[in-house]
Amino acid sequence: GAVVSQHPSWVICKSGTSVKIECRSLDFQATTMFWYRQFPKQSLMLMATSNEGSKATYEQGVEKDKFLINHASLTLSTLTVTSAHPEDSSFYICSARGRDEQFFGPGTRLTVL
Amino acid sequence: AQTVTQSQPEMSVQEAETVTLSCTYDTSESDYYLFWYKQPPSRQMILVIRQEAYKQQNATENRFSVNFQKAAKSFSLKISDSQLGDAAMYFCAYRSSGGYQKVTFGTGTKLQVIP
Repeated sequence: GAVVSQHPSWVICKSGTSVKIECRSLDFQATTMFWYRQFPKQSLMLMATSNEGSKATYEQGVEKDKFLINHASLTLSTLTVTSAHPEDSSFYICSARGRDEQFFGPGTRLTVL
Repeated sequence: AQTVTQSQPEMSVQEAETVTLSCTYDTSESDYYLFWYKQPPSRQMILVIRQEAYKQQNATENRFSVNFQKAAKSFSLKISDSQLGDAAMYFCAYRSSGGYQKVTFGTGTKLQVIP
């Protein structure tokens, strides 16, 4: 199957700093990528839909100015958590839409001190 | 909006036995896709099985099969000959056939396999 990578796999940062997470489709082009957030022992919650060359579509309740998404190419989408706070600590997962299914990255664990 | 419900937070099964995980969903669409994903402790999401709503035949993948009841909006997963490696969180998911094809996940079922 298709491979999606995420970088970094984990990150620890101080409160008030910004963190960028990259999502790459390694062997296919993805016009659409998705960003999810997963709290411990909970399900994946869609944060936003990232479209190459256009603005992301955010789900209700997700602050677009806090979670900046850039989908600059057909193989790369980035999520930047701006002015991170401890409540932003979570597991962030991206997925890239292939022809018939979505392919998920391995996730990034963000811890904000 | 579509919703996906998994009523079993946790399930357990003896190794080599069969277990069924339940899932119901709500939608007004006629064409859509349903999935079961496995999330082991590594947190990597793994596709277990997929069902297209327009297909009446239940999908099967080796030891995994589904019971898709479109009218009842039910989509259960049966795992036969359970193995220790099957222990994981299992998420039922719904995807529209049109638009951005967003995926909506259920709350998950934690499956324990007892040796």
